[in-house]
Amino acid sequence: DAGITQSPRYKITETGRQVTLMCHQTWSHSYMFWYRQDLGHGLRLIYYSAAADITDKGEVPDGYVVSRSKTENFPLTLESATRSQTSVYFCASSERPNYGYTFGSGTRLTVV
Amino acid sequence: GENVEQHPSTLSVQEGDSAVIKCTYSDSASNYFPWYKQELGKRPQLIIDIRSNVGEKKDQRIAVTLNKTAKHFSLHITETQPEDSAVYFCAASVNQAGTALIFGKGTTLSVSS
Repeated sequence: DAGITQSPRYKITETGRQVTLMCHQTWSHSYMFWYRQDLGHGLRLIYYSAAADITDKGEVPDGYVVSRSKTENFPLTLESATRSQTSVYFCASSERPNYGYTFGSGTRLTVV
Repeated sequence: GENVEQHPSTLSVQEGDSAVIKCTYSDSASNYFPWYKQELGKRPQLIIDIRSNVGEKKDQRIAVTLNKTAKHFSLHITETQPEDSAVYFCAASVNQAGTALIFGKGTTLSVSS
């Protein structure tokens, strides 16, 4: 499981600031995903990517931007952070469709 | 789009009892249904999955059943132990291509000894 790493583990930022969460995997998995986890909402899909330079919106994409210039990296950017984006963010990867994910350790983001 | 409903939201059992968690999904094209376990402060981890061409799958004390006609699937844990205490999530693929998963809201299972 050390093959997928997220950074930072914890982040506090101010409202209106841009912040980028990093995700890196060493397996060359084609598929990568970003979820946010909030009490009472479970895991909600933000964005996903099937390959380098291919990204798609999930359930809750507003306020977020992603890129995937290299297969191993899938950064998530909050362009102008809001308090409602305070959450735990999980990155995950999968080698093919209809296959299990491996999750990163998560980033706990607090927007004040 | 796909919607996954999960019940119950909390479940308390005595050690040794069985636990059942149920999920329903909306997209009839979905064909992959995994279950994840998340311990407090940890990442979700895959514990078992089932595909649409199979009705039931077992792995030791854990089993999953799928009813495609009714669009529901269930997780069964037998002989529960305190270490089974965690949050359990069901998920369904967003479409037949299975490019992403939509998760239920989770069930907090507490096993008391």
